[in-house]
Amino acid sequence: DGGITQSPKYLFRKEGQNVTLSCEQNLNHDAMYWYRQDPGQGLRLIYYSQIVNDFQKGDIAEGYSVSREKKESFPLTVTSAQKNPTAFYLCASSSVSGYTDTQYFGPGTRLTVL
Amino acid sequence: AQKITQTQPGMFVQEKEAVTLDCTYDTSDQSYGLFWYKQPSSGEMIFLIYQGSYDEQNATEGRYSLNFQKARKSANLVISASQLGDSAMYFCAMREGRTNAGGTSYGKLTFGQGTILTVHP
Repeated sequence: DGGITQSPKYLFRKEGQNVTLSCEQNLNHDAMYWYRQDPGQGLRLIYYSQIVNDFQKGDIAEGYSVSREKKESFPLTVTSAQKNPTAFYLCASSSVSGYTDTQYFGPGTRLTVL
Repeated sequence: AQKITQTQPGMFVQEKEAVTLDCTYDTSDQSYGLFWYKQPSSGEMIFLIYQGSYDEQNATEGRYSLNFQKARKSANLVISASQLGDSAMYFCAMREGRTNAGGTSYGKLTFGQGTILTVHP
């Protein structure tokens, strides 16, 4: 079945460590996105990529990095520079052609800094 | 200024009744898209319905319909015949216009703060 997978589902990190969250899609979508959600809040865009080997900063990119070496994959690294990384992270993808560019989401990764 | 405003932090509805979740937006673009997503307690965001700014008809998808009032910049979600499984957080989102060389619009989403819907039996 086509869809978006994120791993791991839960991630615990010690302060000062970098961690990488995985996002893979087999929907043949060109665009991929990373969002952060804090408790009781809406989603905020961290990074997005509309094509392989290209990505742009979103609204809260500081302390995060991404790569887009393959169309199917858009991993997010949470670096030690991110001051408050405990949050729920959602990856999404969308087509860039057609009538709509609806974003479809993965199941999310819940990151906790110990 | 907030681009997407959802003024109802929580809503309650009786099973089988209809409920309207409010959403107002702010943009100066002529071309934009409005989306509604459902987020159950599991956390996954589920796409419900889309309305394009040039669409003349209100969007409908099964029990979901979008009451689009362009002049008032509102895009309210109407859920008919509520079910217990509709209990979740609901988010309104906007994609502002951005057109690529092929003439197709795409771009990042801005989300509202969400409304928690509780359906009572």
